[in-house]
Amino acid sequence: EAGVTQFPSHSVIEKGQTVTLRCDPISGHDNLYWYRRVMGKEIKFLLHFVKESKQDESGMPNNRFLAERTGGTYSTLKVQPAELEDSGVYFCASSHELPSVATIYFGEGSWLTVV
Amino acid sequence: AQSVTQLGSHVSVSEGALVLLRCNYSSSVPPYLFWYVQYPNQGLQLLLKYTSAATLVKGINGFEAEFKKSETSFHLTKPSAHMSDAAEYFCAVSDETGTASKLTFGTGTRLQVTL
Repeated sequence: EAGVTQFPSHSVIEKGQTVTLRCDPISGHDNLYWYRRVMGKEIKFLLHFVKESKQDESGMPNNRFLAERTGGTYSTLKVQPAELEDSGVYFCASSHELPSVATIYFGEGSWLTVV
Repeated sequence: AQSVTQLGSHVSVSEGALVLLRCNYSSSVPPYLFWYVQYPNQGLQLLLKYTSAATLVKGINGFEAEFKKSETSFHLTKPSAHMSDAAEYFCAVSDETGTASKLTFGTGTRLQVTL
């Protein structure tokens, strides 16, 4: 069974440009999450999809970030325009339904560098 | 609000020595607690989780952690370190609904294993 896959694995863009990160969750997982780790800091929650709906987007830093999950399958996270402080690792994760506690499976991350 | 504190951003042990990575949490509700590991150039992998059952939790690769409510701790241990254990370790607590739909992470502890 394929795990959570993310693309691109690494991206270097200039300040002001746009970047789109893609995440393919584990097949059948309705829950999809985005997390981010900026340099030297903790991994922080960005948002949570249940199927195609945004369940919780309380962690999105500002309106330069737009996440979508069309059809409840893969998700994209667009940063437009990118700023230097957006550099970091963006993790996608997915889980099955939400029982009392579900295991969240993480992808390998998309490393974004804004120069 | 929930929080996690990992004492020691870097820990170095000799091969064969005890590994002890510290994690203290703060939560207003009974927590669900997790340890994740990130090996070089890989994604986050779940080591173990505490979900209010047994207080001593056994995980993969010989790791275990003990939930101590009185100390609000969930320290990770392994009796004998191996070179392959060198990685970054993250402690996390679930959100206040207890459904683990949102994780709050610590800042991570990088484990170095020396000969």
